[in-house]
Amino acid sequence: DGGITQSPKYLFRKEGQNVTLSCEQNLNHDAMYWYRQDPGQGLRLIYYSQIVNDFQKGDIAEGYSVSREKKESFPLTVTSAQKNPTAFYLCASSIPGGNSPLHFGNGTRLTVT
Amino acid sequence: QKEVEQNSGPLSVPEGAIASLNCTYSDRGSQSFFWYRQYSGKSPELIMFIYSNGDKEDGRFTAQLNKASQYVSLLIRDSQPSDSATYLCAVRLTGGGNKLTFGTGTQLKVEL
Repeated sequence: DGGITQSPKYLFRKEGQNVTLSCEQNLNHDAMYWYRQDPGQGLRLIYYSQIVNDFQKGDIAEGYSVSREKKESFPLTVTSAQKNPTAFYLCASSIPGGNSPLHFGNGTRLTVT
Repeated sequence: QKEVEQNSGPLSVPEGAIASLNCTYSDRGSQSFFWYRQYSGKSPELIMFIYSNGDKEDGRFTAQLNKASQYVSLLIRDSQPSDSATYLCAVRLTGGGNKLTFGTGTQLKVEL
């Protein structure tokens, strides 16, 4: 079955450590996205990529980094520079084009203490 | 002014009633509008999308778009307890590429 796989589902880290969240898709979508969701909040865009080897900052990119070396993969690194990293992280993908919806993975819940 | 606004709720409706969820957006040039449902602790799932003014129906769901007034709404007929969730409105803004801008969501509670 085609879909988006995020791993791990839960992740715990100590403050000051970098951590990388995995996102893999087999939908053959060109565009991929990372969103962050805090309790009771909507989704805020961190980074997005419309094609391999290219990505753009979203609204809250500070303290995060990404890479897009393969079409299927778009890992997100949460660095120690991110002040409030504890959140629910959602990866999504889409077909390029104005009318295409985003398809989401199951999310990774990151807790930093 | 937020780019996409929703009333956070909770919106409580009795089982079998019509639930009406509303969303306003600031970018008059926006062309694509999406409704997602999100259960607690889960990821959003697409319910409907709408691009043209007017109504679009899919089963118990109807999306309504009024570009002149810059609002989009979602009606849920014959509401069921399983419809209890947070509903997220998402808009593809002009010049934003493929990315979607989300509202903060409206929590819906369907009571027995």
